[in-house]
Amino acid sequence: ETGVTQSPTHLIKTRGQQVTLRCSSQSGHNTVSWYQQALGQGPQFIFQYYREEENGRGNFPPRFSGLQFPNYSSELNVNALELDDSALYLCASSFDSQLTEAFFGQGTRLTVV
Amino acid sequence: QKEVEQDPGPLSVPEGAIVSLNCTYSNSAFQYFMWYRQYSRKGPELLMYTYSSGNKEDGRFTAQVDKSSKYISLFIRDSQPSDSATYLCAMIDQAGTALIFGKGTTLSVSS
Repeated sequence: ETGVTQSPTHLIKTRGQQVTLRCSSQSGHNTVSWYQQALGQGPQFIFQYYREEENGRGNFPPRFSGLQFPNYSSELNVNALELDDSALYLCASSFDSQLTEAFFGQGTRLTVV
Repeated sequence: QKEVEQDPGPLSVPEGAIVSLNCTYSNSAFQYFMWYRQYSRKGPELLMYTYSSGNKEDGRFTAQVDKSSKYISLFIRDSQPSDSATYLCAMIDQAGTALIFGKGTTLSVSS
């Protein structure tokens, strides 16, 4: 098991609602990245936070937003949920954006109905 | 054309077989090539990574990169039922901030 924990593990929301997903980084890691993994697909990069600042963003609309806190834990917020937002949301933590040393959490399974 | 292409399978082999998993990519600027294993309902776990071209071996696993063909491979020797999982290839983007994944290949090893 990695030291990266995500909560909740499962979530069901209604279209149009808002959701907040949480990620606790591995000890000593100052970088958190979020990915969306639709069923049968590889993970897709949403954004990365390094020392509380957004450090890169993938091709996701502004209704996907994030935060990183001083203890380097992180939140992913999604507004105006759509059915296509149903996916496994993964966070990965690393030190100084070293992606070769990134560890993934177990993910949050979001279902939008 | 997607940046990283990977045949999703599924791939079924008997225990003890040699497994070959492959990806192609389109961006010649990629330098880091990763292989992850993902069990059902779990996050991806890094198996190994290679920088630039060449081979890398770790136990039963060997990763190969051919930059001239933009083709990477993962070989699993003496496959075990515990190897049954989805295998994802990934590359680090040019900005160094994102992993670009293939779709993943689902492998089933039967005893």
